[in-house]
Order: sequence, then C-alpha cells, then structure tokens
Amino acid sequence: EAGVAQSPRYKIIEKRQSVAFWCNPISGHATLYWYQQILGQGPKLLIQFQNNGVVDDSQLPKDRFSAERLKGVDSTLKIQPAKLEDSAVYLCASSRYIAGDETQYFGPGTRLLVL
Amino acid sequence: KQEVTQIPAALSVPEGENLVLNCSFTDSAIYNLQWFRQDPGKGLTSLLLIQSSQREQTSGRLNASLDKSSGRSTLYIAASQPGDSATYLCAVRYNQGGKLIFGQGTELSVKP
Repeated sequence: EAGVAQSPRYKIIEKRQSVAFWCNPISGHATLYWYQQILGQGPKLLIQFQNNGVVDDSQLPKDRFSAERLKGVDSTLKIQPAKLEDSAVYLCASSRYIAGDETQYFGPGTRLLVL
Repeated sequence: KQEVTQIPAALSVPEGENLVLNCSFTDSAIYNLQWFRQDPGKGLTSLLLIQSSQREQTSGRLNASLDKSSGRSTLYIAASQPGDSATYLCAVRYNQGGKLIFGQGTELSVKP
C-alpha cells in the first residue's frame, strides 16, 4: 500500500510571496489532515477534511491560508502572503473513518523556510 | 484548554537500558491516545494506539499504558537500541474522527 505523498519536500521563499503544497492521501482514506509543525514543537492541526467537506478549520489563519480537497482525494494548502513565522514543516495525514481503526498515517512533510 | 505535555524534553541513555517516556493531558475525557515516532527530516510513524477503554497496548519492545483518571500515559521501551533514537510524540483525540492534539515530544538518544 502506497503511503501519503507530499510535494514539494522543501521550499524557500521570500516573505509576502505565495506558496502551495500538495498532498495525495492513502487510497480509500476518507479523512485528510494538514498539520503545521514549528521546530521543537508538536504538530498543530490546521484543517481537517472528511471527503470533500471541512470538519475543523478552527486553527487555520484564514486571512492568509486556504486549503481545498479535490474530488475528495488530493488536497492543496496555500499560503498567501507568507510571513516569517510561517517557517515550519507542513505535514499531511490521512485515515479511515472507522471506529477502532483511526490510525493517522503521515506523509514526509514539506519543509518551508520564509526569508 | 486541552493540552498535552511530555516530560522530559530530551533523554540520553546507554544502549540496553529500559526506559519510560511520559505524557500527561489536562482533559481526561479522551477518545483515544496515540504514540508516534519522528525521525529527523521525516514524517510521523504511528507506534501504538490505545482506545479510552484500554489500559495498555504492546508491540514488540514497546508497551504503552493509559490511566485516564490521572490523565497520564507512558511509553515503555525495553532493551533500548541506537536505532530507537528519534523524537517520540504523544497525541490525544477527544472524539471519533477528531483531530489529534500533540505534546511537544521527547527527543531520545540511545548511545552505543
């Protein structure tokens, strides 16, 4: 079974520029998550999708961050414009929506540096 | 506020030692708890998931326990090896399909 795929793996941009990240979850996983992990901290949920719909985006800075999930499969996360404090690793994860089988599987992440 | 704390932040042990990593959570009404491993520059790998009705889970040299009433979980690693060196993260979930709330992790170094 293929894992969660993310691209790009690394990105360096200037502040106020735009950037987009892509995620392809494990086939058949209905739930998709985007997390932000700042150096030395645990991941923090930005947005959670259940199929096409948004379940939780309470911690997404909506003035600059946006996300969509295309046809309930792939997802993109965009930052526009980027700030210095957005430097972090952006992790995508997916899971089944079955009670007792909710293990989240994570991709390798995209490491973003904003200069 | 629902928070997860892991102590210590870093731990260094000689190879072969048994060790315990600690995780505490402020709201004890959890749905389940998950332990992850993160290698440098990599994503997270799930190690163990404990449902709220369970007391412990085991996988190989790893054993995770859960005490909901006290808001604590421990990850026990037996006979540690240099390959166990990584950051270990604890995360809790409060409802089915809900988000994971992570601790800040414990960075483990096992010296040969």
